[in-house]
Amino acid sequence: AAGVIQSPRHLIKEKRETATLKCYPIPRHDTVYWYQQGPGQDPQFLISFYEKMQSDKGSIPDRFSAQQFSDYHSELNMSSLELGDSALYFCASSVRGRGETQYFGPGTRLLVL
Amino acid sequence: RKEVEQDPGPFNVPEGATVAFNCTYSNSASQSFFWYRQDCRKEPKLLMSVYSSGNEDGRFTAQLNRASQYISLLIRDSKLSDSATYLCVVNILGYGGATNKLIFGTGTLLAVQP
Repeated sequence: AAGVIQSPRHLIKEKRETATLKCYPIPRHDTVYWYQQGPGQDPQFLISFYEKMQSDKGSIPDRFSAQQFSDYHSELNMSSLELGDSALYFCASSVRGRGETQYFGPGTRLLVL
Repeated sequence: RKEVEQDPGPFNVPEGATVAFNCTYSNSASQSFFWYRQDCRKEPKLLMSVYSSGNEDGRFTAQLNRASQYISLLIRDSKLSDSATYLCVVNILGYGGATNKLIFGTGTLLAVQP
């Protein structure tokens, strides 16, 4: 079965640079979520989109922005990168409904030097 | 205080042992409950949803007590392949009820020894 696809899988950037992470949800999934997992930490919710509209926002820095496109894929844009942004970034997708299961992609490992 | 708290790990158990993980959550608006499994440097994978009536999937049994805001996971006959971090996860309804976000516990590391 098709899963969530994330690209790139690994990314190395320097401080103050920008990065764009991409997420392709499972086909027919209409909702996308972004999570950040720092070293030794649990995943933290950043932001979610339903039908191309932002639906909820968590602990996402103002330097980050995201959107969902007409084909339901999503991009997380990160600017003025800081060392503390080094983390695993997971995208998850689901079908709208209460308590629906979220399926996670393999993640993008971002290292900021 | 974290919204979802789990037993501190690691749990080191021999093959064949039974091991239990506990979790408490603080947000009474939590809608749904899950156990996810995460292997080192990999994505969280859904192990099972958790219902008030209790549910079982092979060697795994999960239980939810809404009154106590308590969730448990029991693993019987542990296998080497069960070694992973087990994340207790609750689902909080988002704005307008259309979507929701997952709140993760810090995870409990299980190491099954041969």
